[in-house]
Amino acid sequence: AQSVTQLGSHVSVSEGALVLLRCNYSSSVPPYLFWYVQYPNQGLQLLLKYTSAATLVKGINGFEAEFKKSETSFHLTKPSAHMSDAAEYFCAVSEVPGGKLIFGQGTELSVKP
Amino acid sequence: ETGVTQSPTHLIKTRGQQVTLRCSSQSGHNTVSWYQQALGQGPQFIFQYYREEENGRGNFPPRFSGLQFPNYSSELNVNALELDDSALYLCASSQLADKETQYFGPGTRLLVL
Repeated sequence: AQSVTQLGSHVSVSEGALVLLRCNYSSSVPPYLFWYVQYPNQGLQLLLKYTSAATLVKGINGFEAEFKKSETSFHLTKPSAHMSDAAEYFCAVSEVPGGKLIFGQGTELSVKP
Repeated sequence: ETGVTQSPTHLIKTRGQQVTLRCSSQSGHNTVSWYQQALGQGPQFIFQYYREEENGRGNFPPRFSGLQFPNYSSELNVNALELDDSALYLCASSQLADKETQYFGPGTRLLVL
């Protein structure tokens, strides 16, 4: 069965510091992997997706993620945090394109001035 | 802006009542999925519709039902509401040309008293 584990329900960084949000998945088939961001009282916005092309995926707002099959990981990074990055981040996996998404529990990112 | 709209934005119901939530997708988005997001949790897959037919269902009881219409709109109906149904309900749509990507609406927040 598919599952997603996000390590750390809350991450706090200083403005300008590296952002690293961790995601590990399990899937019986090559996965499709996604990172979504959710601002308070809003829906989910797609940051980036991995669909078996390049293992390093670049997304919006300076975020990127690297698919590592051997580690079953898809960690999200951003070199320099901005105050506007404060939000909830969700990692998700699906086994078929457009199929049901299995989400992690989410990681709340706080950015300190 | 994902082009996916949901109505109403907020709703208060009492236990035992029935509710209908609505979603409108972009033209050409012939797949729609519904998710339930309880407070502090990741979204959970309820079901998916493709060309007006149910195309997969998560672990939700039959009192959760849906409809998809030819004009790219859809409904989520919940009968016999329970207190635990209080959540943010999200719909997401996708198109064949980019079927891996699900675009989410802003959600409907349902409170059951």
